Amino acid sequence: DVKVTQSSRYLVKRTGEKVFLECVQDMDHENMFWYRQDPGLGLRLIYFSYDVKMKEKGDIPEGYSVSREKKERFSLILESASTNQTSMYLCASSLSPGGVTETQYFGPGTRLLVL
Amino acid sequence: GEDVEQSLFLSVREGDSSVINCTYTDSSSTYLYWYKQEPGAGLQLLTYIFSNMDMKQDQRLTVLLNKKDKHLSLRIADTQTGDSAIYFCAEDRGGNTGKLIFGQGTTLQVKP
Repeated sequence: DVKVTQSSRYLVKRTGEKVFLECVQDMDHENMFWYRQDPGLGLRLIYFSYDVKMKEKGDIPEGYSVSREKKERFSLILESASTNQTSMYLCASSLSPGGVTETQYFGPGTRLLVL
Repeated sequence: GEDVEQSLFLSVREGDSSVINCTYTDSSSTYLYWYKQEPGAGLQLLTYIFSNMDMKQDQRLTVLLNKKDKHLSLRIADTQTGDSAIYFCAEDRGGNTGKLIFGQGTTLQVKP
């Protein structure tokens, strides 16, 4: 079974703080993704990575950065948290591009509240 | 443009069938997916269908794909209270990009 874990289930931070969200997968997947989920908006892609040290912007990258130093770990960084970044953050991984190997497996999510 | 649309809410009685509908726009999609999200949890893959198939059945789940109308549905037979969740459909973006486009999610409420 694929296992994707996220470092925190709940986080409360103050405006302006630097926030790190960590994600680890244990199945040697090439691709990793960060989404945010807001009611009525579904999942929106923030950043993704095809390989170590490789990253690409998704649909809403503003205010976020990412780091992938090791294949199994993908970090999402909020350089200066703002209240409009209060959301549920979901990490996912998939084996590789192309065909059914693009099936994504999700972590449990981190609910972030920025005060 | 790329868009996946779902209705936001569905309510059924326990034991009835549920049908959750989804429309998509990208005709180059190879796979279409259904995910389930229980309260406070991440998304769990339920099933997927290859784009050259019309139907896929897996126990209580039946997926129907109408490629001409770009319409995907998920039927849950004998719906149980444990099926209460948010259901997301998703399509791949084609071109082996590895990215998926998700709908807004349909909240299924099952009344006892």
